[in-house]
Amino acid sequence: SQQGEEDPQALSIQEGENATMNCSYKTSINNLQWYRQNSGRGLVHLILIRSNEREKHSGRLRVTLDTSKKSSSLLITASRAADTASYFCATSDFGNEKLTFGTGTRLTIIP
Amino acid sequence: DAGVIQSPRHEVTEMGQEVTLRCKPISGHNSLFWYRQTMMRGLELLIYFNNNVPIDDSGMPEDRFSAKMPNASFSTLKIQPSEPRDSAVYFCASSWEGGRGTEAFFGQGTRLTVV
Repeated sequence: SQQGEEDPQALSIQEGENATMNCSYKTSINNLQWYRQNSGRGLVHLILIRSNEREKHSGRLRVTLDTSKKSSSLLITASRAADTASYFCATSDFGNEKLTFGTGTRLTIIP
Repeated sequence: DAGVIQSPRHEVTEMGQEVTLRCKPISGHNSLFWYRQTMMRGLELLIYFNNNVPIDDSGMPEDRFSAKMPNASFSTLKIQPSEPRDSAVYFCASSWEGGRGTEAFFGQGTRLTVV
């Protein structure tokens, strides 16, 4: 079963705009990760945020985590055409490395 | 490092045939995952190993599916007999379990088509 649900399922924005994707999960987690998948390729890790962290930055990426609401958001600033991909959140529980993925958000950047 | 290597990249087989998918994880990683991705069901975890031992196989659909990890550098996922509904992209991923959660590295996937 899937732990996370991403919202929206699909998002189209103009190049240069910011893109925000949300992820909700159901149970307590050890950490939450965001991955990116280009069409026909494997998933690539973007960023990991631990359950005791609230915000994390990496380049144009900003991730927030609200454990009280069991939700996370991924913000991509100054989007580029190359950011077009599907984005997934993934959670792992305490004590094991089992990674459970959400349903994904398909992001399209319009040049 | 060459990353996680999966073979074959594409597999087309007839219903009822046995299919074996292969995975070589990144050297030094001690966790290995098999995932299946379809449009209808998204990315599903089938099984994961830690130190070559299967830890959670609750995602394996049925007895037709089996997975092995005979050593730290090789794993197989076997489907016997295969059915058209098994058509999907199968991903292998590996990570190093440091106790605090780390990123998983994915292979390029095997696209399986059962006709």
